[in-house]
Amino acid sequence: GDSVTQMEGPVTLSEEAFLTINCTYTATGYPSLFWYVQYPGEGLQLLLKATKADDKGSNKGFEATYRKETTSFHLEKGSVQVSDSAVYFCALGDSGYSTLTFGKGTMLLVSP
Amino acid sequence: DGGITQSPKYLFRKEGQNVTLSCEQNLNHDAMYWYRQDPGQGLRLIYYSQIVNDFQKGDIAEGYSVSREKKESFPLTVTSAQKNPTAFYLCASSIMYSGSMVDTQYFGPGTRLTVL
Repeated sequence: GDSVTQMEGPVTLSEEAFLTINCTYTATGYPSLFWYVQYPGEGLQLLLKATKADDKGSNKGFEATYRKETTSFHLEKGSVQVSDSAVYFCALGDSGYSTLTFGKGTMLLVSP
Repeated sequence: DGGITQSPKYLFRKEGQNVTLSCEQNLNHDAMYWYRQDPGQGLRLIYYSQIVNDFQKGDIAEGYSVSREKKESFPLTVTSAQKNPTAFYLCASSIMYSGSMVDTQYFGPGTRLTVL
């Protein structure tokens, strides 16, 4: 079945550092890929998405490119802020499946 | 504003009592979902529904029940049979395309249930 693997956290960075959170997937079809963010005590918010190979999703300075050849969808940001501290979830939606498949989440901690 | 509401934000119950968590959406989405999240863990799917009066079990349905009498509402009941109900519960909804291709899920703010 489909699966999503994320790097384990926490990822600890200083403000203005470069961020990469790795995400790889296994899917039987041609999935859509998502990154969600969860701030403490809140629900998940969609951060960005990509629906086909080579698409780049972007939002609030975050970017991720759908790489079919490496089955990856790594999240990047050039300069993180303290306010980016949160848990980030990678997910995929595959044809024929009625739900999204989520990774376990990666906690990001940014210090001033 | 369109969105998903969950109530209450915090819920306390005594062990052995059933409790119902509310989830309402005004996004006109066909599909609705319930997830459970434990500290430091990812999301686990409890139940989902793609159409009124129909729902399917997820990965951890034991000890939970749901109903879908209206498109807008998908309440979750945590029964006394659930052995460890203390957790953060998230409701979500999404559009369903033909061929059951699921699109973006939109989440509510969550309900934190504590069983004493």
